Amino acid sequence: DAGITQSPRHKVTETGTPVTLRCHQTENHRYMYWYRQDPGHGLRLIHYSYGVKDTDKGEVSDGYSVSRSKTEDFLLTLESATSSQTSVYFCAISETGDRGEYGYTFGSGTRLTVV
Amino acid sequence: AQSVAQPEDQVNVAEGNPLTVKCTYSVSGNPYLFWYVQYPNRGLQFLLKYITGDNLVKGSYGFEAEFNKSQTSFHLKKPSALVSDSALYFCAVREGHSGTYKYIFGTGTRLKVLA
Repeated sequence: DAGITQSPRHKVTETGTPVTLRCHQTENHRYMYWYRQDPGHGLRLIHYSYGVKDTDKGEVSDGYSVSRSKTEDFLLTLESATSSQTSVYFCAISETGDRGEYGYTFGSGTRLTVV
Repeated sequence: AQSVAQPEDQVNVAEGNPLTVKCTYSVSGNPYLFWYVQYPNRGLQFLLKYITGDNLVKGSYGFEAEFNKSQTSFHLKKPSALVSDSALYFCAVREGHSGTYKYIFGTGTRLKVLA
């Protein structure tokens, strides 16, 4: 999707290894989010950021950490990957808005398989 | 906490017939509601939103949604379905407070339009 890219698009990793997913935006948006998508659960929020070095936990943050040292990049790290973290991961960005009225633009997703 | 529910995992409709994808919400205060669509192997795309004003909201690709406060619903509709409308549809609601907004998604409804 225009203005937001995720890398890698696909990854297979072994249980217990650390994994980092990258989200890069060219829109200079303040807000960035990481979600995971699983059948029957829809999208669930992992972590989000409302500015450089300002991050917060979502509903499924256990086992994940994030960093945002620049406006354009939001990194998601699986400290020690487990099979339950096999999922499709989506990054989203949102324009600054006092009322949260703008909605999201999503990246194309990263399909992660933990074996 | 704010939430949305999509009671149908799948909706089947014949091409040319009207379609409805259901969403109900539970919020405190005024709801900000969104619909997104996901085509296979793609990220989610914004369809429409309700912030305030007219209860009937028009969006992309001929879709519209009706906000009903008394029934706490925000159903997605289209007068005449196309095979190309077949996709996964998500309802979402804003949560949080100024400066830390995020969106909570439903579990998704798969729409299948039959030729």
